[in-house]
Amino acid sequence: DADVTQTPRNRITKTGKRIMLECSQTKGHDRMYWYRQDPGLGLRLIYYSFDVKDINKGEISDGYSVSRQAQAKFSLSLESAIPNQTALYFCATSEHGTGDQPQHFGDGTRLSIL
Amino acid sequence: DQQVKQNSPSLSVQEGRISILNCDYTNSMFDYFLWYKKYPAEGPTFLISISSIKDKNEDGRFTVFLNKSAKHLSLHIVPSQPGDSAVYFCAATSPGGTYKYIFGTGTRLKVLA
Repeated sequence: DADVTQTPRNRITKTGKRIMLECSQTKGHDRMYWYRQDPGLGLRLIYYSFDVKDINKGEISDGYSVSRQAQAKFSLSLESAIPNQTALYFCATSEHGTGDQPQHFGDGTRLSIL
Repeated sequence: DQQVKQNSPSLSVQEGRISILNCDYTNSMFDYFLWYKKYPAEGPTFLISISSIKDKNEDGRFTVFLNKSAKHLSLHIVPSQPGDSAVYFCAATSPGGTYKYIFGTGTRLKVLA
């Protein structure tokens, strides 16, 4: 079983719909992250959480919200989806420590907004 | 403004030869640099890292070199294998203790058999 699981893997929806992407992990890590990947832009950080009571905005948080329901669960919501939120979304986890603690990624959710 | 840049979108190398992937950055305060490999339909996986106080780190066929004066790092893969064909991202951790990643745009490596 994957250590970092994202659901759904693929989603097609319409403009204006509310969407929730879910992430769960079995690694026991405190830190969790949401990224989006767009062609030619690499991965950009949307939100991150260092523990259940800690939520922080990343570089592109507008139009998104998150919820850290438990240490193992971190969900990303698009309250009213728009076409330029079409992208590949990744969840990641890491341990506390220094910056060389690697992040562990899920396999992504491909989201298309029509 | 792109703080971490990978200026080569793609690279092709013959099997057995050396692959050199490059990454440039603008912020001299970055603490750590990491390389990730990504296969299609999978998430990125960690490959190797280097602290800003070092200039080289080696792990098997993979070596990362850091040139702080030039704000440049490179990943060397020797020898290259067909299974190394993937997209490679470099990332830098932002200063200040939060260790957030700033990713480059990726380089697609193709190793030809």
